[in-house]
Amino acid sequence: DGGITQSPKYLFRKEGQNVTLSCEQNLNHDAMYWYRQDPGQGLRLIYYSQIVNDFQKGDIAEGYSVSREKKESFPLTVTSAQKNPTAFYLCASSETTLSTSTDTQYFGPGTRLTVL
Amino acid sequence: AQTVTQSQPEMSVQEAETVTLSCTYDTSENNYYLFWYKQPPSRQMILVIRQEAYKQQNATENRFSVNFQKAAKSFSLKISDSQLGDTAMYFCAFMNYGQNFVFGPGTRLSVLP
Repeated sequence: DGGITQSPKYLFRKEGQNVTLSCEQNLNHDAMYWYRQDPGQGLRLIYYSQIVNDFQKGDIAEGYSVSREKKESFPLTVTSAQKNPTAFYLCASSETTLSTSTDTQYFGPGTRLTVL
Repeated sequence: AQTVTQSQPEMSVQEAETVTLSCTYDTSENNYYLFWYKQPPSRQMILVIRQEAYKQQNATENRFSVNFQKAAKSFSLKISDSQLGDTAMYFCAFMNYGQNFVFGPGTRLSVLP
């Protein structure tokens, strides 16, 4: 089945540790995104990538890093510089090209990160 | 900057009844997309319906339809024959051509038996 997978579903981290969240898609989508969702709030964009080996900061990129070495993979690292990392993290992808507008975003099941 | 407002933090509806969720947005652009996403307790975000701003006809997907008022910058979602499985957070989202999504804060909908 085509779709977006995120792992793990739940993740616990000690303060001061870096942790990497996985996001994989087999939809052959060009663009991928990472969002953060806090309780009772909407989604805020962390990073996005429209093409392999290129990515851009979103609205709340501080304390996060990403890579896009393969089209199907867009891992997110939450670094120790992120002061309040406990949140729900959603990965999304969309079919787009550089010459057209970004289309509908499809989401993975999310990862719940808790800092102990 | 574009903003999306959902003025109803919580709503409830009786099973089989109809409910309308409101959404307004702010933009100076003429061409854009609007979306409604549903996030059930599983927290999986699911696309409900999509509307291109250049289309005057309101989008419809089975029991879900929108009332798109471009001049008023309003994009409400109507759910007909509400079902228990419709219980979820509903997010309105806006996207300019070539730009990223902007999400509203969400409306928590409870369908009551």
